[in-house]
Amino acid sequence: AQSVTQLDSHVSVSEGTPVLLRCNYSSSYSPSLFWYVQHPNKGLQLLLKYTSAATLVKGINGFEAEFKKSETSFHLTKPSAHMSDAAEYFCVVSDQGSNTGKLIFGQGTTLQVKP
Amino acid sequence: DAGVIQSPRHEVTEMGQEVTLRCKPISGHNSLFWYRQTMMRGLELLIYFNNNVPIDDSGMPEDRFSAKMPNASFSTLKIQPSEPRDSAVYFCASSLKPRTGGRTDTQYFGPGTRLTVL
Repeated sequence: AQSVTQLDSHVSVSEGTPVLLRCNYSSSYSPSLFWYVQHPNKGLQLLLKYTSAATLVKGINGFEAEFKKSETSFHLTKPSAHMSDAAEYFCVVSDQGSNTGKLIFGQGTTLQVKP
Repeated sequence: DAGVIQSPRHEVTEMGQEVTLRCKPISGHNSLFWYRQTMMRGLELLIYFNNNVPIDDSGMPEDRFSAKMPNASFSTLKIQPSEPRDSAVYFCASSLKPRTGGRTDTQYFGPGTRLTVL
């Protein structure tokens, strides 16, 4: 069965410093992986997705993530944090085994950006 | 593209009342998902439709919850009777599932309906 673990429930960085949000997954299949962002009182917006093409995936707003099969990780990074990046971030794996399109969400990481 | 549209954005009701949440998926998408988000339980999948047919409703909490998709452009989630513990943000999402299998495509989320049951 697929699962996803976000290793930090809360990350705090200063504006202009790098961001690292960690995610590990478990999957019996070659997974599809996503990062979504949710700003306060908003819906979820897709940041990026991995679907077995290039292992380094570039997303919107300067974010990127690297799929590392050997480490079963899909960490999200950004070289320089901006105040507008403060939000909740979800790492997500698609349930390929059932082929239903069902997404399995991590518990989320709250990113705080300090001025 | 208007994206996934949900209404109402906010709903406040009293315990025992019927609540109906509405969703219009992205045109051309053939899969629709209803989620519930709470602080305690995070994001939970309630029900999933493919080509207007409910495929997986194992996440529906109890018989008070029901969902329909009468056509490709509209779905409802109904709670009757509502209870305070149903207070949450309810999201609708849609995607285009390949006909012949293969990779699941991205789910696009609506802005959500914030439900408060007093």
